[in-house]
Amino acid sequence: AQSVSQHNHHVILSEAASLELGCNYSYGGTVNLFWYVQYPGQHLQLLLKYFSGDPLVKGIKGFEAEFIKSKFSFNLRKPSVQWSDTAEYFCAVNAPTSGTYKYIFGTGTRLKVLA
Amino acid sequence: GAGVSQSPSNKVTEKGKDVELRCDPISGHTALYWYRQSLGQGLEFLIYFQGNSAPDKSGLPSDRFSAERTGGSVSTLTIQRTQQEDSAVYLCASSSGLTQETQYFGPGTRLLVL
Repeated sequence: AQSVSQHNHHVILSEAASLELGCNYSYGGTVNLFWYVQYPGQHLQLLLKYFSGDPLVKGIKGFEAEFIKSKFSFNLRKPSVQWSDTAEYFCAVNAPTSGTYKYIFGTGTRLKVLA
Repeated sequence: GAGVSQSPSNKVTEKGKDVELRCDPISGHTALYWYRQSLGQGLEFLIYFQGNSAPDKSGLPSDRFSAERTGGSVSTLTIQRTQQEDSAVYLCASSSGLTQETQYFGPGTRLLVL
């Protein structure tokens, strides 16, 4: 069965610090990978996604993620965080070759950025 | 240009009662998903629809849970004989396809079973 692990449950950073949130998935076939973000009081929204091509994908607000197939990872990065990045971040995987189109989400990482 | 809407936004019910949660997807979106978000548990997949069909119901926690979609649009998630462990936020999302397209989430229905 597919699964997604986000190892950091809570992260606290100061503004301008660099960010890396880990995401690992368990499925050996082709996957589509996503990062979603939920800002306080707002709906979940897409940050970025990868399904083919350049394994380094860039998303909104200066975020990027790198797909490393050999490590089954899709870590999220941002060189310099801002207070407005305070939110909960979810990694998700969709593996259409597994016979289902369901999405599996990780448990989320709560990021707090101190001004 | 409305987004995904869900109703009610909050629901308090007594253990043993049935509840219906409604989702209105973005117009034209063929795929619709239901998730459950419990504290510290992330998003738990429940069911998805392609049109009116539900190819994968494996995420439904028990036979007390059911969902339907009519006219390729509105979906209803029904929980029968609610239990306290059903308390959670129920999220709906829609997308224009099943795999690589962005899912657009609604605001959720916060269910509290007393």
